[in-house]
Amino acid sequence: DQQVKQNSPSLSVQEGRISILNCDYTNSMFDYFLWYKKYPAEGPTFLISISSIKDKNEDGRFTVFLNKSAKHLSLHIVPSQPGDSAVYFCAARDSNYQLIWGAGTKLIIKP
Amino acid sequence: EAQVTQNPRYLITVTGKKLTVTCSQNMNHEYMSWYRQDPGLGLRQIYYSMNVEVTDKGDVPEGYKVSRKEKRNFPLILESPSPNQTSLYFCASSLSGTFIGEQYFGPGTRLTVT
Repeated sequence: DQQVKQNSPSLSVQEGRISILNCDYTNSMFDYFLWYKKYPAEGPTFLISISSIKDKNEDGRFTVFLNKSAKHLSLHIVPSQPGDSAVYFCAARDSNYQLIWGAGTKLIIKP
Repeated sequence: EAQVTQNPRYLITVTGKKLTVTCSQNMNHEYMSWYRQDPGLGLRQIYYSMNVEVTDKGDVPEGYKVSRKEKRNFPLILESPSPNQTSLYFCASSLSGTFIGEQYFGPGTRLTVT
């Protein structure tokens, strides 16, 4: 039973528009959430994170929103650029300090 | 350059032939971990190590062994590989075991067991 779910395997967005990637979780004890980005033939790289005591964190074009009551987080990329085409993973930290990962969403930015 | 290295990057082997995938980091990180990535399942943790000589099972440890004799190295051992261990493997490290947050990943090892 997956505790972290990314229900969209892929998402296609026009260059310059907003990309919104979603992630749902089931465990209310998760206290820290992260987004990673992965290009083909490379390992994931850290993108942005948010603590469970916050509802928003911003870093340049990337903003992560956390809705604890809905157990939902989202990553907004504005504006989307061709280099943003990648697979995006959300991950949540459990009470043992280990990360539980979603299955990933492949983002395709169309020129 | 700060990095996590894995070797080999690609490996094709046969059932039952013992193999080791090496992982090394040059950032003096305490925490290291192994993951496998399979289609539709994301990354699943195999084993992790909070520090030298301290290792613990992750979600899918069956069929794997690890050791952490030095801070920089964390090899993954498959004593008797089976086809269901065909996967993409990632090693990762982070500064501390209590703040797992930002992990640095190696480039991955694609293993095929026939």
